[in-house]
Amino acid sequence: IAGITQAPTSQILAAGRRMTLRCTQDMRHNAMYWYRQDLGLGLRLIHYSNTAGTTGKGEVPDGYSVSRANTDDFPLTLASAVPSQTSVYFCASSRQFQSTDTQYFGPGTRLTVL
Amino acid sequence: AQSVTQLGSHVSVSEGALVLLRCNYSSSVPPYLFWYVQYPNQGLQLLLKYTSAATLVKGINGFEAEFKKSETSFHLTKPSAHMSDAAEYFCAVSATAGGSQGNLIFGKGTKLSVKP
Repeated sequence: IAGITQAPTSQILAAGRRMTLRCTQDMRHNAMYWYRQDLGLGLRLIHYSNTAGTTGKGEVPDGYSVSRANTDDFPLTLASAVPSQTSVYFCASSRQFQSTDTQYFGPGTRLTVL
Repeated sequence: AQSVTQLGSHVSVSEGALVLLRCNYSSSVPPYLFWYVQYPNQGLQLLLKYTSAATLVKGINGFEAEFKKSETSFHLTKPSAHMSDAAEYFCAVSATAGGSQGNLIFGKGTKLSVKP
Protein backbone atom coordinates (compact mmCIF):
# COMPACT_ATOMS: atom_id res chain seq x y z
CA ILE A 1 0.00 0.00 0.00
CA ALA A 2 1.58 3.28 -1.10
CA GLY A 3 -0.60 5.59 1.01
CA ILE A 4 -0.25 9.06 -0.47
CA THR A 5 1.90 9.88 -3.45
CA GLN A 6 2.79 13.37 -4.61
CA ALA A 7 4.33 14.53 -7.87
CA PRO A 8 6.65 16.06 -8.73
CA THR A 9 9.12 15.64 -5.87
CA SER A 10 10.57 19.04 -6.62
CA GLN A 11 10.15 21.71 -9.25
CA ILE A 12 11.71 25.01 -10.23
CA LEU A 13 9.20 27.26 -11.94
CA ALA A 14 9.36 30.66 -13.61
CA ALA A 15 7.07 33.30 -12.21
CA GLY A 16 3.84 33.62 -14.14
CA ARG A 17 3.75 29.97 -15.19
CA ARG A 18 0.90 27.62 -14.39
CA MET A 19 1.67 24.56 -12.29
CA THR A 20 -0.34 21.60 -11.02
CA LEU A 21 0.83 19.57 -8.06
CA ARG A 22 -0.57 16.07 -8.07
CA CYS A 23 -1.76 14.06 -5.09
CA THR A 24 -3.16 10.54 -5.10
CA GLN A 25 -4.19 8.32 -2.20
CA ASP A 26 -5.08 4.64 -2.26
CA MET A 27 -6.69 4.40 1.19
CA ARG A 28 -10.20 5.34 0.03
CA HIS A 29 -10.19 8.24 2.45
CA ASN A 30 -13.03 10.70 2.12
CA ALA A 31 -11.19 13.85 3.19
CA MET A 32 -8.09 15.38 1.63
CA TYR A 33 -6.03 18.47 2.38
CA TRP A 34 -3.29 20.66 0.96
CA TYR A 35 -0.81 22.45 3.24
CA ARG A 36 2.20 24.61 2.65
CA GLN A 37 5.15 24.52 5.03
CA ASP A 38 7.39 27.54 5.42
CA LEU A 39 10.32 27.94 7.79
CA GLY A 40 9.18 29.31 11.13
CA LEU A 41 5.50 29.26 10.17
CA GLY A 42 4.64 25.59 10.52
CA LEU A 43 1.96 24.13 8.26
CA ARG A 44 -0.86 26.24 6.94
CA LEU A 45 -3.96 24.84 5.28
CA ILE A 46 -4.54 25.97 1.68
CA HIS A 47 -7.64 24.02 0.63
CA TYR A 48 -9.47 20.94 1.75
CA SER A 49 -12.09 18.52 0.48
CA ASN A 50 -14.38 16.74 2.91
CA THR A 51 -15.63 14.35 0.22
CA ALA A 52 -15.40 13.84 -3.52
CA GLY A 53 -17.08 16.67 -5.37
CA THR A 54 -16.76 19.27 -2.62
CA THR A 55 -13.89 21.58 -1.64
CA GLY A 56 -13.32 24.36 0.86
CA LYS A 57 -10.89 27.16 1.54
CA GLY A 58 -8.30 27.00 4.26
CA GLU A 59 -6.20 29.67 5.89
CA VAL A 60 -4.15 30.69 2.82
CA PRO A 61 -6.19 29.92 -0.35
CA ASP A 62 -5.31 32.94 -2.50
CA GLY A 63 -3.50 32.04 -5.72
CA TYR A 64 -4.42 28.35 -5.47
CA SER A 65 -7.28 26.24 -6.75
CA VAL A 66 -8.24 22.60 -6.24
CA SER A 67 -10.66 20.06 -7.65
CA ARG A 68 -11.90 16.72 -6.37
CA ALA A 69 -13.37 14.80 -9.27
CA ASN A 70 -12.99 11.42 -7.54
CA THR A 71 -12.03 9.95 -4.16
CA ASP A 72 -8.38 9.27 -4.93
CA ASP A 73 -7.06 12.46 -6.57
CA PHE A 74 -6.77 16.01 -5.26
CA PRO A 75 -4.65 18.23 -7.54
CA LEU A 76 -3.52 21.70 -6.50
CA THR A 77 -3.12 24.32 -9.23
CA LEU A 78 -1.18 27.56 -9.17
CA ALA A 79 -2.69 29.56 -12.02
CA SER A 80 0.14 32.11 -12.25
CA ALA A 81 2.98 31.35 -9.87
CA VAL A 82 4.64 34.09 -7.81
CA PRO A 83 7.88 33.92 -5.78
CA SER A 84 5.95 34.01 -2.48
CA GLN A 85 4.55 30.60 -3.40
CA THR A 86 8.01 29.08 -3.00
CA SER A 87 7.40 26.48 -0.32
CA VAL A 88 7.12 22.79 0.48
CA TYR A 89 3.63 21.51 -0.25
CA PHE A 90 2.09 18.56 1.58
CA CYS A 91 -1.00 16.65 0.67
CA ALA A 92 -2.81 14.75 3.42
CA SER A 93 -5.90 12.61 3.80
CA SER A 94 -8.15 11.30 6.57
CA ARG A 95 -10.81 8.63 6.61
CA GLN A 96 -13.56 11.11 7.44
CA PHE A 97 -13.75 14.87 7.84
CA GLN A 98 -13.93 14.68 11.62
CA SER A 99 -12.14 16.38 14.49
CA THR A 100 -10.74 13.14 15.87
CA ASP A 101 -9.49 11.63 12.62
CA THR A 102 -5.79 11.16 11.99
CA GLN A 103 -4.40 12.86 8.93
CA TYR A 104 -1.89 10.93 6.82
CA PHE A 105 0.70 12.93 4.91
CA GLY A 106 2.45 12.50 1.61
CA PRO A 107 6.20 13.05 1.17
CA GLY A 108 5.83 16.60 -0.10
CA THR A 109 6.66 18.66 -3.19
CA ARG A 110 9.40 21.28 -2.96
CA LEU A 111 8.48 24.18 -5.24
CA THR A 112 10.75 27.09 -6.10
CA VAL A 113 9.30 30.04 -8.04
CA LEU A 114 11.89 32.35 -9.57
CA ALA B 1 -10.99 30.33 17.22
CA GLN B 2 -8.53 27.60 18.08
CA SER B 3 -4.76 28.07 18.19
CA VAL B 4 -1.66 26.37 19.51
CA THR B 5 1.61 27.82 20.75
CA GLN B 6 4.78 25.78 20.88
CA LEU B 7 7.33 27.22 23.26
CA GLY B 8 10.83 27.00 21.86
CA SER B 9 11.54 26.66 18.17
CA HIS B 10 14.63 24.58 18.94
CA VAL B 11 15.32 22.21 21.83
CA SER B 12 18.60 20.38 22.33
CA VAL B 13 19.07 17.44 24.70
CA SER B 14 21.74 14.85 25.34
CA GLU B 15 21.16 11.22 24.44
CA GLY B 16 19.47 9.53 27.40
CA ALA B 17 18.08 12.78 28.83
CA LEU B 18 14.44 13.69 29.30
CA VAL B 19 12.67 15.20 26.32
CA LEU B 20 10.06 17.88 27.05
CA LEU B 21 8.38 19.74 24.20
CA ARG B 22 5.83 22.31 25.23
CA CYS B 23 2.45 23.01 23.65
CA ASN B 24 -0.30 25.31 24.91
CA TYR B 25 -3.64 25.60 23.22
CA SER B 26 -6.47 28.06 23.03
CA SER B 27 -9.96 26.79 22.41
CA SER B 28 -13.46 27.89 23.33
CA VAL B 29 -14.67 24.28 23.30
CA PRO B 30 -13.10 21.03 24.56
CA PRO B 31 -10.21 20.46 22.16
CA TYR B 32 -8.87 17.48 20.32
CA LEU B 33 -5.08 17.66 20.27
CA PHE B 34 -2.39 15.98 18.22
CA TRP B 35 1.38 15.65 18.09
CA TYR B 36 3.00 14.93 14.74
CA VAL B 37 6.67 14.26 13.97
CA GLN B 38 8.53 15.15 10.79
CA TYR B 39 11.85 13.51 10.02
CA PRO B 40 14.17 15.29 7.57
CA ASN B 41 12.81 15.42 4.02
CA GLN B 42 9.68 13.47 4.92
CA GLY B 43 6.02 14.14 5.50
CA LEU B 44 4.42 14.28 8.94
CA GLN B 45 3.32 11.20 10.86
CA LEU B 46 1.13 10.96 13.92
CA LEU B 47 2.81 10.42 17.29
CA LEU B 48 -0.30 10.52 19.45
CA LYS B 49 -3.65 12.22 19.88
CA TYR B 50 -6.02 13.25 22.66
CA THR B 51 -9.70 12.79 21.92
CA SER B 52 -11.22 13.30 25.39
CA ALA B 53 -10.66 9.80 26.77
CA ALA B 54 -7.65 9.32 29.09
CA THR B 55 -5.75 12.54 29.82
CA LEU B 56 -2.39 10.74 29.64
CA VAL B 57 -1.89 9.60 26.08
CA LYS B 58 0.80 7.17 25.01
CA GLY B 59 2.16 7.25 21.50
CA ILE B 60 4.73 5.60 19.32
CA ASN B 61 8.48 5.46 20.00
CA GLY B 62 8.05 5.90 23.77
CA PHE B 63 6.47 9.35 23.64
CA GLU B 64 3.54 10.42 25.77
CA ALA B 65 1.60 13.61 26.41
CA GLU B 66 -0.70 14.74 29.19
CA PHE B 67 -3.76 16.90 28.62
CA LYS B 68 -4.07 19.48 31.41
CA LYS B 69 -7.20 21.56 31.06
CA SER B 70 -6.31 23.87 33.97
CA GLU B 71 -3.04 24.78 32.27
CA THR B 72 -4.37 24.58 28.69
CA SER B 73 -1.34 22.44 27.92
CA PHE B 74 -0.50 19.26 26.04
CA HIS B 75 3.24 18.84 26.54
CA LEU B 76 5.10 15.97 24.87
CA THR B 77 7.61 13.94 26.89
CA LYS B 78 9.95 11.00 26.54
CA PRO B 79 12.00 9.74 29.50
CA SER B 80 15.18 9.00 27.56
CA ALA B 81 16.14 10.60 24.25
CA HIS B 82 17.59 8.57 21.44
CA MET B 83 19.57 9.86 18.48
CA SER B 84 16.76 8.73 16.20
CA ASP B 85 14.38 11.17 17.92
CA ALA B 86 16.05 14.11 16.18
CA ALA B 87 13.23 15.61 14.11
CA GLU B 88 10.72 18.44 14.05
CA TYR B 89 7.63 18.09 16.20
CA PHE B 90 4.30 19.78 15.61
CA CYS B 91 1.41 20.22 17.99
CA ALA B 92 -2.01 20.66 16.41
CA VAL B 93 -5.61 21.28 17.49
CA SER B 94 -8.76 20.41 15.58
CA ALA B 95 -10.73 23.31 14.25
CA THR B 96 -14.30 23.40 15.53
CA ALA B 97 -15.81 26.31 13.61
CA GLY B 98 -18.91 25.30 11.74
CA GLY B 99 -18.15 23.15 8.70
CA SER B 100 -14.41 22.91 9.34
CA GLN B 101 -14.29 20.26 12.02
CA GLY B 102 -11.87 18.06 10.06
CA ASN B 103 -9.21 20.72 9.75
CA LEU B 104 -6.10 20.94 11.90
CA ILE B 105 -4.42 24.09 13.15
CA PHE B 106 -0.71 23.54 13.58
CA GLY B 107 1.84 25.18 15.82
CA LYS B 108 5.03 26.52 14.30
CA GLY B 109 7.02 23.45 15.27
CA THR B 110 9.91 22.59 17.59
CA LYS B 111 13.10 21.15 16.18
CA LEU B 112 14.63 18.58 18.52
CA SER B 113 18.37 17.95 18.39
CA VAL B 114 19.94 15.04 20.28
CA LYS B 115 23.61 15.24 21.21
CA PRO B 116 25.66 12.06 21.65
